[in-house]
Amino acid sequence: SQKIEQNSEALNIQEGKTATLTCNYTNYSPAYLQWYRQDPGRGPVFLLLIRENEKEKRKERLKVTFDTTLKQSLFHITASQPADSATYLCALDRGSGGYQKVTFGTGTKLQVIP
Amino acid sequence: KAGVTQTPRYLIKPRGQQVTLSCSPISGHRSVSWYQQTPGQGLQFLFEYFSETQRNKGNFPGRFSGRQFSNSRSEMNVSTLELGDSALYLCASSFGQAVDEKLFFGSGTQLSVL
Repeated sequence: SQKIEQNSEALNIQEGKTATLTCNYTNYSPAYLQWYRQDPGRGPVFLLLIRENEKEKRKERLKVTFDTTLKQSLFHITASQPADSATYLCALDRGSGGYQKVTFGTGTKLQVIP
Repeated sequence: KAGVTQTPRYLIKPRGQQVTLSCSPISGHRSVSWYQQTPGQGLQFLFEYFSETQRNKGNFPGRFSGRQFSNSRSEMNVSTLELGDSALYLCASSFGQAVDEKLFFGSGTQLSVL
């Protein structure tokens, strides 16, 4: 069956360090992968999208990689700050059929310690 | 530009009753997707509507239904409530024209079934 796994439920890192979150998937052939941030009591907020033919995407302190051979995406936050503390979700879809059925991982809760 | 609006924010209902949740998408967005979020299962896709038609459906029982109006506003209905239906219900909107569009989420409706 199709599955999306994010490396851990929680990740604690020291302020200033680089946080690396992992998203692994099985039985999918996604055309693209998205990352979202979710704060408590709020809906997810879109951060980055990377397509299957792209190896890496950057936006300010964020970097996403996408390895379709390993079936894995890595999400990096450099120079992490306490304000980066949140739950991060990866999401993917096969990108076929002309409509969306975006499937989300269960998320990794990141805590940046001052 | 106003974001996605979900009402009500909180809802407490007894088992066996039914509930209707509302979602107003961003102006110009024609696609509305609904998700159920629980601590154990994460974000689970319920269904997606585009131009008043259900385009895609997740693996939920028939007690979960939805509809979309001509102004793209959407409602979700859960009948014969069960304790396991307690969750955060999120809706997300997008233009619905391309499969790789980012989703814009509302803050959700927190449903508690007693």
